Parts: sequence; C-alpha cells; structure tokens
Amino acid sequence: ETGVTQSPTHLIKTRGQQVTLRCSSQSGHNTVSWYQQALGQGPQFIFQYYREEENGRGNFPPRFSGLQFPNYSSELNVNALELDDSALYLCASSGTGGIPGELFFGEGSRLTVL
Amino acid sequence: AQSVTQLDSQVPVFEEAPVELRCNYSSSVSVYLFWYVQYPNQGLQLLLKYLSGSTLVESINGFEAEFNKSQTSFHLRKPSVHISDTAEYFCAVMNAGGTSYGKLTFGQGTILTVHP
Repeated sequence: ETGVTQSPTHLIKTRGQQVTLRCSSQSGHNTVSWYQQALGQGPQFIFQYYREEENGRGNFPPRFSGLQFPNYSSELNVNALELDDSALYLCASSGTGGIPGELFFGEGSRLTVL
Repeated sequence: AQSVTQLDSQVPVFEEAPVELRCNYSSSVSVYLFWYVQYPNQGLQLLLKYLSGSTLVESINGFEAEFNKSQTSFHLRKPSVHISDTAEYFCAVMNAGGTSYGKLTFGQGTILTVHP
C-alpha cells in the first residue's frame, strides 16, 4: 500500500510568483485535503477535494486554488505569492467509509517566499 | 467557528515519568476530537480519536485521552513515557455534523521531549 506522497519537498519562490504543489493520495482514497502549517503553528485547513470537486474550504483567499484528477491525485496552486505564504503545505487523503477525521498525511512541501 | 488551544507549547519529561498534554476546545456544535502525532521527519499520524460512546479512549502505545464535555477538554495522558514518545502532538476537532470529513481545526501543537 502506497502512502501519501508530495512533491516537491522544498522550493523557493519570490513574491508575486505562482507555485504548484502536487500530491498523490494513498491507494484507495478518493478524498484529498490540503493544509498550511506556518512555523510554530498547527495545520490550517485550506480546502478539500472529493470526486474532482471542491468540497469544503477554509479561510483562504481565491488565489489559493486546487484540482483533483480522475486518479484522485491533486494539485494546490497559489498565485501572486506573498511573504506570509511561506509555510509547510500538507496534503492528506481519506477514503469513503473511513473514520471521520482520520486523515493520512504526506510529509509536506516546504515553500519559502523571498 | 471552532478553536483549539493547547496550553503548553513544550513539555520536557524524564523517561518513565507520567505526562499530560492539555487541550481545550471551543465550538458551538457537537465535535469529534482527535490527537495526531508527528515524529521527527515523518508526516502527521492519528494517535487516537473520540467520536462517541465511552469518553475515555486509548491508543495502542499506551496513551489515553478523556473527553470532558463540561470543561470542553480532551487532555492526553500517559502513565510512563519512553524516549520513543518524543514528538510533536496536535489536538484537533471536527464538526460532528459536517460533511467535509477532511476539515479539522488543529491546535498549535505541543512538543514532548523525553529525556533519559
């Protein structure tokens, strides 16, 4: 059974640029959630995708967007990067019929915005 | 809106000592409660959960947590810690009536360091 994998693991961007982060969900999981974890903070929910549609969104501006593909993998896109976007971005997957709130996390993509 | 407060950012203890990591939450609706753990260089993983039933829940590695509705708390305890328990622990809540099963509200985390 393959776990959740994320890429890239680290990246550096400058203000105003755009970034795409990728996530492969755990085998058999059809739901993907994205979280932002700033240094010293807990993860904050960005949004969730189920069957290729956004299904729940946290308090993040529209420049944070996502996609889910037919194979359930997902992308997180952030436009017009700001310094405060520097964080660890976590992807988590879960499956239909699973335990509510039981998420399987990847190790994250660490984004630094200069 | 929901919020989670973990009252201690760092907890140092000696091996075989007991430990309690405190978590309080605020919510206007019924919630499910979770503790996640992040070992060094690993992703977050679920440690234990409260969904319904007995308010005392246990993990396979000796941790337990008790849901106290009147005090809106879900403290994590272990009677005797090991070096391998060194990790960051996150308390989280989820709307029990919600449809977004992936939407958790996390606390700020507590770094547990077990010294020999």
